[in-house]
Amino acid sequence: EIVMTQSPATLSVSPGERATLSCRASQSVSSNLAWYQQKPGQAPRLLIYGASTRATGIPARFSGSGSGTEFTLTISSLQSEDFAVYYCQQYNNWPLVAFGQGTKVEIK
Amino acid sequence: QLQLQESGPGLVKPSETLSLTCTVSGGSISSSSYYWGWIRQPPGKGLEWIGSIYYSGSTYYNPSLKSRVTISVDTSKNQFSLKLSSVTAADTAVYYCARRPARVGATFDYWGQGTLVTVSS
Repeated sequence: EIVMTQSPATLSVSPGERATLSCRASQSVSSNLAWYQQKPGQAPRLLIYGASTRATGIPARFSGSGSGTEFTLTISSLQSEDFAVYYCQQYNNWPLVAFGQGTKVEIK
Repeated sequence: QLQLQESGPGLVKPSETLSLTCTVSGGSISSSSYYWGWIRQPPGKGLEWIGSIYYSGSTYYNPSLKSRVTISVDTSKNQFSLKLSSVTAADTAVYYCARRPARVGATFDYWGQGTLVTVSS
């Protein structure tokens, strides 16, 4: 079983600042890593897949990097609509998939 | 525009079977290009994959839930369904259905809005 660990649990950032979120896999998942954004009362929204490819319609301020066991989601300049919970997900051993526990990005 | 809509009882008694249906519109569930899945989220907690199904009927389940889960597809109605037996309070969650393209490097890209199921007597 691959375990995904996200850090930090909560990130306090001011609007316009850069946010960096981390995700670590317990074993290599190659580049089979996705990031989702979830706002209260809404379904998760796919932001990044393949570790670094933005999904359709996702703004360029969202970028993903990493491979193997260490991954990063960067939001270059936080907008008000970006305050949400972010989940990483590995799908290297599809169809088995696993999510991290989430990082909440809150207004500082 | 693809849409997925979960439906089913919002309240289930302990030890009974939870049954949900996901209706797909704006696309065909019979396409060989996609898998269809169920994911759940207990209140205030993270996401847990339950299982997935291909249009052919091939199923894949989370090992931790496998003994209690059945996912099926009804191509005539463009629907797929989830049954979770012997539920307890720990199964209280928002249940989402989602689509996953059947190509290397893809993952769940379209999600339903989710439906809250509470397990309580």
